[in-house]
Amino acid sequence: AQSVTQLGSHVSVSEGALVLLRCNYSSSVPPYLFWYVQYPNQGLQLLLKYTSAATLVKGINGFEAEFKKSETSFHLTKPSAHMSDAAEYFCAVRGAAGNKLTFGGGTRVLVKP
Amino acid sequence: NAGVTQTPKFRILKIGQSMTLQCTQDMNHNYMYWYRQDPGMGLKLIYYSVGAGITDKGEVPNGYNVSRSTTEDFPLRLELAAPSQTSVYFCASSIEGQPNEKLFFGSGTQLSVL
Repeated sequence: AQSVTQLGSHVSVSEGALVLLRCNYSSSVPPYLFWYVQYPNQGLQLLLKYTSAATLVKGINGFEAEFKKSETSFHLTKPSAHMSDAAEYFCAVRGAAGNKLTFGGGTRVLVKP
Repeated sequence: NAGVTQTPKFRILKIGQSMTLQCTQDMNHNYMYWYRQDPGMGLKLIYYSVGAGITDKGEVPNGYNVSRSTTEDFPLRLELAAPSQTSVYFCASSIEGQPNEKLFFGSGTQLSVL
C-alpha cells in the first residue's frame, strides 16, 4: 500500500518569497514520486518527477524537489514566488510494480503582491 | 495535437438521472484513467484501462461504469446520479503505464447532482 500526505491545504506567500510545500509518502517499495500543478480551471500538469536517478530534481518554472529517503519526504521548493505560481499543487506516489498513482490532498498556493 | 479532450465542461443533474462523460485522446496512449477530485481529498481513481477492451476498477468505482471500445475513447457512465457524485472529474492517459511515466490530463468536467 502507498499513501501521500501533504502538510497544509493552503499556503500564502509574498511575491519574491520562498515557496515550500511539504510532501511525505509511504510505500512498501522504492517509490516513484511526482509533483503536479493545477492552474485554475485546468487539468493537472507534471511539474517534476523523481525516478531514482538523482535525489534533487529540477522541474519547470524554477521549482525543484529533494527526495529524502530517511525522512520519506519529497518537499517542493521555489526560491522566489511569482504571481503566476498561484495554483494547487499535488504530490503523488507510484510503486515500482504498480501502474496507478496515489495523490495527496493538494496544497493551494496564494501569492500576495 | 489536442491531447486529452473531455466533454462537457459543466453539467447539472437531478438525482436519479444518468449521463455519460466523454473522454478522447489523440496521442495513441494505451492507458487511460478516470479520477474524481473533491476538495481537500486529492484525486481518487475511479476506473482505468490498459487498452481497448480492458478495464478495471480503481479506488472508488461504485456508481460508475466505463467501456473502452477504441484506443482513443474512454467514456464514464453514471447510471443513477446521487449527490455524493458531485465532483470534478478528470480523464487522463499515459503511454504504457510505466512507473516513471507522466499522466496527461484533460481539463475536467464539473458535475453537480441536485
